[in-house]
Amino acid sequence: DQQVKQNSPSLSVQEGRISILNCDYTNSMFDYFLWYKKYPAEGPTFLISISSIKDKNEDGRFTVFLNKSAKHLSLHIVPSQPGDSAVYFCAASAYSGNEKLTFGTGTRLTIIP
Amino acid sequence: NAGVTQTPKFRILKIGQSMTLQCTQDMNHNYMYWYRQDPGMGLKLIYYSVGAGITDKGEVPNGYNVSRSTTEDFPLRLELAAPSQTSVYFCASSYSGNPGPNQPQHFGDGTRLSIL
Repeated sequence: DQQVKQNSPSLSVQEGRISILNCDYTNSMFDYFLWYKKYPAEGPTFLISISSIKDKNEDGRFTVFLNKSAKHLSLHIVPSQPGDSAVYFCAASAYSGNEKLTFGTGTRLTIIP
Repeated sequence: NAGVTQTPKFRILKIGQSMTLQCTQDMNHNYMYWYRQDPGMGLKLIYYSVGAGITDKGEVPNGYNVSRSTTEDFPLRLELAAPSQTSVYFCASSYSGNPGPNQPQHFGDGTRLSIL
């Protein structure tokens, strides 16, 4: 049972435009969500996170939106740059002392120059 | 600052062989984790440790063993390699278990393991 789902395996976006990556979850106990970015032959690196007490968190060009009622979150990248081309993983945790992250299957983002 | 270091980067094993994947971190993190990533799939937790001498199973522990004798090192052992264990293995560490904004998991660059 995939508790964290990223239904788009890939996404192509023109440089300078907005990239929107989506993530859905099924476990209502999840209350902390993270996005990781992964380049080929490297490990994932933390990008941005959001607690369930918020519906938006912004860090520079990256914004994460959380819709708890829909069990949906999205990552917006504006403007998209060629260096943003990578695989993006959504991850979720039951924040209250639970150290385990559940990852989605990832979305490969390609920024077209 | 090296962060999380995994060795080897690549390895080919024959069915039934054993090996140890090494992981060391220099950030004085209490928590360490082992994940595997199969093609087209997300990362799945194999084992984790909340401190030296303490380990616990994750989602997919069968066929693996771990130990944590020091804060820095968290080796993963495959005793009888099977083709189903062909995967990319990632080690990670974090300061605490709560994945707060200042305490994300830091990952190594992975070990690509093929069992033939």
